[in-house]
Amino acid sequence: AQRVTQPEKLLSVFKGAPVELKCNYSYSGSPELFWYVQYSRQRLQLLLRHISRESIKGFTADLNKGETSFHLKKPFAQEEDSAMYYCAQGNQGGKLIFGQGTELSVKP
Amino acid sequence: DTEVTQTPKHLVMGMTNKKSLKCEQHMGHRAMYWYKQKAKKPPELMFVYSYEKLSINESVPSRFSPECPNSSLLNLHLHALQPEDSALYLCASSQDLRSYNEQFFGPGTRLTVL
Repeated sequence: AQRVTQPEKLLSVFKGAPVELKCNYSYSGSPELFWYVQYSRQRLQLLLRHISRESIKGFTADLNKGETSFHLKKPFAQEEDSAMYYCAQGNQGGKLIFGQGTELSVKP
Repeated sequence: DTEVTQTPKHLVMGMTNKKSLKCEQHMGHRAMYWYKQKAKKPPELMFVYSYEKLSINESVPSRFSPECPNSSLLNLHLHALQPEDSALYLCASSQDLRSYNEQFFGPGTRLTVL
């Protein structure tokens, strides 16, 4: 079965520090990968997806097929980045396979 | 309108009650979804509708009954729920079922079963 793994349940960094949220997938083909974010008391929303190759709120994510990874990175974390982050893989049929999520806490 | 709306925001019900959750989108999306989410856990897919037809039922107990009256509306009818069904119920929509489409999520209905 296809699986998305986020090894860190909680990641705590200080403001201004670099941050990397890890995501690994198990699909052997060309995956459709997303990062969704859920801020406190807000709806789950798309942060970025690999086909767009864009940077949103300073975050980037590169698909590495060799390592089957799609890690999310930001060079300088801000307090407002504190949230729950989910890596997800899209499947035909509309299924999104979510990782378990990483809670990012950015301390002042 | 580029949002998915859900009503009610909060719902408290007894185990013998019957209630319904409602979801609406006006983005012209033809795929709609119901998810269940527990605190600090990822959403768990329950149902998928495509062009108003049920496409996926993830072995959800029959006390949850989905309905798609038209392309903009999605309902989830609840009957004889258990306390362990207490959770945040999320509705989502996407253009269609293709894997690269973004899913747009509603704010959720916080359900408490007493």
